[in-house]
Amino acid sequence: DAGVTQSPTHLIKTRGQQVTLRCSPKSGHDTVSWYQQALGQGPQFIFQYYEEEERQRGNFPDRFSGHQFPNYSSELNVNALLLGDSALYLCASSLDFSGNTIYFGEGSWLTVV
Amino acid sequence: AQTVTQSQPEMSVQEAETVTLSCTYDTSESDYYLFWYKQPPSRQMILVIRQEAYKQQNATENRFSVNFQKAAKSFSLKISDSQLGDAAMYFCAYRTDMYSGGGADGLTFGKGTHLIIQP
Repeated sequence: DAGVTQSPTHLIKTRGQQVTLRCSPKSGHDTVSWYQQALGQGPQFIFQYYEEEERQRGNFPDRFSGHQFPNYSSELNVNALLLGDSALYLCASSLDFSGNTIYFGEGSWLTVV
Repeated sequence: AQTVTQSQPEMSVQEAETVTLSCTYDTSESDYYLFWYKQPPSRQMILVIRQEAYKQQNATENRFSVNFQKAAKSFSLKISDSQLGDAAMYFCAYRTDMYSGGGADGLTFGKGTHLIIQP
């Protein structure tokens, strides 16, 4: 049973560019959340997708957007990259609204130069 | 908004000893969930233990147990018989109970405690 998988593992982008990160949830899970973890900090909630719609959003600007596909996989897009966007981006999946057991992927390391 | 505070940036314990990691949180809600996650160098968040706020009994998972004090808004993690593999960052996290009409569904994390196991 595959867990949460994320791609790419590492990437380097230049300020002002756009990036897309991808996530496949654990088998049977229909809800995907994204988190940003800066170095030395705890993860911060970006947003959550359920039934292909954004359900909840944390305190992140509109430069951060996402999408969920019919197979429940998800993408995180960040436009107009800033140096401060450099972080580990974690994807988490759970089953519907319960979300009591939330599984995380290994993350995508984004470095903005 | 809910906040989670971990006041110990780093803790060190001898192998086979017991260590307690502290966590306090602030919320106005009565129904919620609390979690401890472990993050090893691989960076994947691994669920260690979960506590439902409506349950008075403290959760336990093998060598891991919690001391949940709802009135004090305290949620500490005790690791017994510490092993070298327990070395990692430990994060305390809070989540609203969605079925109680809570707000954001995301987890709110503390800043973490770096646990060092001395052989």
